[in-house]
Amino acid sequence: QKEVEQNSGPLSVPEGAIASLNCTYSDRVSQSFFWYRQYSGKSPELIMSIYSNGDKEDGRFTAQLNKASQYVSLLIRDSQPSDSATYLCAVNGAGSYQLTFGKGTKLSVIP
Amino acid sequence: NAGVTQTPKFQVLKTGQSMTLQCAQDMNHNSMYWYRQDPGMGLRLIYYSASEGTTDKGEVPNGYNVSRLNKREFSLRLESAAPSQTSVYFCATGAGGPSTDTQYFGPGTRLTVL
Repeated sequence: QKEVEQNSGPLSVPEGAIASLNCTYSDRVSQSFFWYRQYSGKSPELIMSIYSNGDKEDGRFTAQLNKASQYVSLLIRDSQPSDSATYLCAVNGAGSYQLTFGKGTKLSVIP
Repeated sequence: NAGVTQTPKFQVLKTGQSMTLQCAQDMNHNSMYWYRQDPGMGLRLIYYSASEGTTDKGEVPNGYNVSRLNKREFSLRLESAAPSQTSVYFCATGAGGPSTDTQYFGPGTRLTVL
């Protein structure tokens, strides 16, 4: 069974700091990796997608992928209180439409 | 441009009642998905439709049926609701294809089964 593991948190960081969110996955042939943000009572919102080893930057967000270690991370620079949410890691396998989600990491940015 | 819409937003059912959750998209995406989200369990895929005319089971299909009415619409039916189906249900659409489908979520339906 494909598994995606995340630390449930809560992860607390001060405003302006870098928040680091981590995710590991079990299926070695996974090809696509996604980070979603979910505010309480709302639906998941796509933040980043990454397909190749290395870093991908979009504004204050950087996704990092290491397929050899089966590890994907999300860095949030200059964290703001509005970044306080649950962050979901999702992984898609080769030839599959099905996303496997982690249970999410709750981030709290303290003003 | 509404994106992905779901109706209803909230619903309360009694055990044994039936209902259909509706999902519509104007994003011209081929694939559509139904998930449920429960505390401590994360998002779990119920059914998906890779394209108009096709449907496939996901991780937790028991107790549900789906219909891909056309490219825009994908409905989820509970024939005989059970308390274990109390959950938040999300519809999503996918842009890309196998291995790379990027999914976009609707606002959700909160269902309570008494």
